[in-house]
Amino acid sequence: GNSVTQMEGPVTLSEEAFLTINCTYTATGYPSLFWYVQYPGEGLQLLLKATKADDKGSNKGFEATYRKETTSFHLEKGSVQVSDSAVYFCALSEPRDDKIIFGKGTRLHILP
Amino acid sequence: IAGITQAPTSQILAAGRRMTLRCTQDMRHNAMYWYRQDLGLGLRLIHYSNTAGTTGKGEVPDGYSVSRANTDDFPLTLASAVPSQTSVYFCASSPQQGGYEQYFGPGTRLTVT
Repeated sequence: GNSVTQMEGPVTLSEEAFLTINCTYTATGYPSLFWYVQYPGEGLQLLLKATKADDKGSNKGFEATYRKETTSFHLEKGSVQVSDSAVYFCALSEPRDDKIIFGKGTRLHILP
Repeated sequence: IAGITQAPTSQILAAGRRMTLRCTQDMRHNAMYWYRQDLGLGLRLIHYSNTAGTTGKGEVPDGYSVSRANTDDFPLTLASAVPSQTSVYFCASSPQQGGYEQYFGPGTRLTVT
């Protein structure tokens, strides 16, 4: 079946550092891919998405490129801020599926 | 535009009691979902509904029931709460099932004692 694997956390970085959170997926078809962010005490918010191979999703300085050849959708940001501290979830959904498949989440701590 | 609202925000419940968590969306989305999120774990799907009048079981449906009488509302009922149902519960909606992003509510923090 379909699955999403993302890097274990927590990830701790200093402010202005470069961020990469790895995400790989297994899917039988052509899924849409998503990154969600969850700030403390809140629900998940869609951060960015990509619907086909080679698409790049971007938002708030974060980017991720849909790589079909490596089945990956890594999240990157060039210069993180303390306010980026949150839990990040990678997810996929195929048109024929009833559900979104979420990764287990990666907790990110940014130190000032 | 409110998006998705959930009630209550938090609740402490005695074991054995019945409880209904409410979820309402104003986006006219067809699909709705209930998840639980336990400390240190990711999301687990409890039940879902692809359209009004239909429901389906997710990964952890035991002890929970849902109904979808109309497009906007998707209540989750715990018939007889147990301590293992202590969790944060999130409701979500999506324009359609399959391939679309989901929009999440703020969550209900439930403690069963």
